[in-house]
Amino acid sequence: AQSVTQLDSQVPVFEEAPVELRCNYSSSVSVYLFWYVQYPNQGLQLLLKYLSGSTLVESINGFEAEFNKSQTSFHLRKPSVHISDTAEYFCAVSKGYQKVTFGTGTKLQVIP
Amino acid sequence: DAGITQSPRYKITETGRQVTLMCHQTWSHSYMFWYRQDLGHGLRLIYYSAAADITDKGEVPDGYVVSRSKTENFPLTLESATRSQTSVYFCASSAGGGYTFGSGTRLTVV
Repeated sequence: AQSVTQLDSQVPVFEEAPVELRCNYSSSVSVYLFWYVQYPNQGLQLLLKYLSGSTLVESINGFEAEFNKSQTSFHLRKPSVHISDTAEYFCAVSKGYQKVTFGTGTKLQVIP
Repeated sequence: DAGITQSPRYKITETGRQVTLMCHQTWSHSYMFWYRQDLGHGLRLIYYSAAADITDKGEVPDGYVVSRSKTENFPLTLESATRSQTSVYFCASSAGGGYTFGSGTRLTVV
């Protein structure tokens, strides 16, 4: 079975500072990896995904994540956060295109 | 409107009552899912469906029933609601490469 660990439940960071949200997974087979973002009172939105190819993937709003197979990690980073990035971020893994397993989420709080 | 819609957005029901949460998608995605979101647990899969008339249990299926007679609809029924089923429920669909989620239904069982 696959699982996802997000060790940080909350991450406060000042505006314009860099941030890293950590994600580690466990799986005995090759996996697909995802980051989702959830704004208050909304559903989850796909932020970025790794399916194959380049291990560094980017989103349209400046986030990036790097698939590290040896460390079984898929950390999310942004060099300079904005107030609008305040949200909860979920890392997720699947061994195929379906049945995604989610982490427990990390709340990013951007401080003005 | 194209997308995935859930109804109702908010629901309060009494213990022991039957309640159905609706989910409708307009893309004809083959896969659909129901998750519940609770503090400290993240999202947990209740049921999923690979196609019309094909459903399967997820991580926490007890107390729930699903059906999928049409590709676009995937209702979730709580046969006899309990307080432990108070949660936010999300429906999602997928054609591969990631999910698209609905806005959720906040269910309170009193």
